[in-house]
Amino acid sequence: KNEVEQSPQNLTAQEGEFITINCSYSVGISALHWLQQHPGGGIVSLFMLSSGKKKHGRLIATINIQEKHSSLHITASHPRDSAVYICAVPLIYFGNEKLTFGTGTRLTIIP
Amino acid sequence: NAGVMQNPRHLVRRRGQEARLRCSPMKGHSHVYWYRQLPEEGLKFMVYLQKENIIDESGMPKERFSAEFPKEGPSILRIQQVVRGDSAAYFCASSPVGGDSPLHFGNGTRLTVT
Repeated sequence: KNEVEQSPQNLTAQEGEFITINCSYSVGISALHWLQQHPGGGIVSLFMLSSGKKKHGRLIATINIQEKHSSLHITASHPRDSAVYICAVPLIYFGNEKLTFGTGTRLTIIP
Repeated sequence: NAGVMQNPRHLVRRRGQEARLRCSPMKGHSHVYWYRQLPEEGLKFMVYLQKENIIDESGMPKERFSAEFPKEGPSILRIQQVVRGDSAAYFCASSPVGGDSPLHFGNGTRLTVT
């Protein structure tokens, strides 16, 4: 069993739809990362959060430490949001070191 | 402020050759991480370095792979005697401190072994 599970694996939606991507993990963590990988391959760090909720523009990330679950939401989705979204957790308590990654959710937004 | 710079973007090597991948962290960042993404697979941790120190190399294959982050200059990931299975995207990330600080990723080096 993977230590980090994401769902769904693939998601296709119409422009404007509200998007939710889920991440469950089985290890104790200090913080969880959400990353975005564009079709060209570059990776951008979207959020690092250890509790509650963070918002940046149309992106919202939430985490429930007790339930070991995080969600990434995109409001008013746009074709430029099409990318692979990856959650990652550190294998050891102290933070970034040895991140374990989910397999990613491939999001396609249709105009 | 330039981001994390990786070069080359694409690297083609024949089996048995050496591959050297470079990563210049963001200015002020002294922590560097290397990750590998095999085709159709997720990212995997390889090695964590600070200036002149390897902190954790538990994700790196024991043979043919080495990494360094000298006092001056970029971090280097070196793969000797490459094989086809080394074909992958190699990403570098940096952070100002270890622990709970955001990571900044480079655009990756895509290594193809022919």
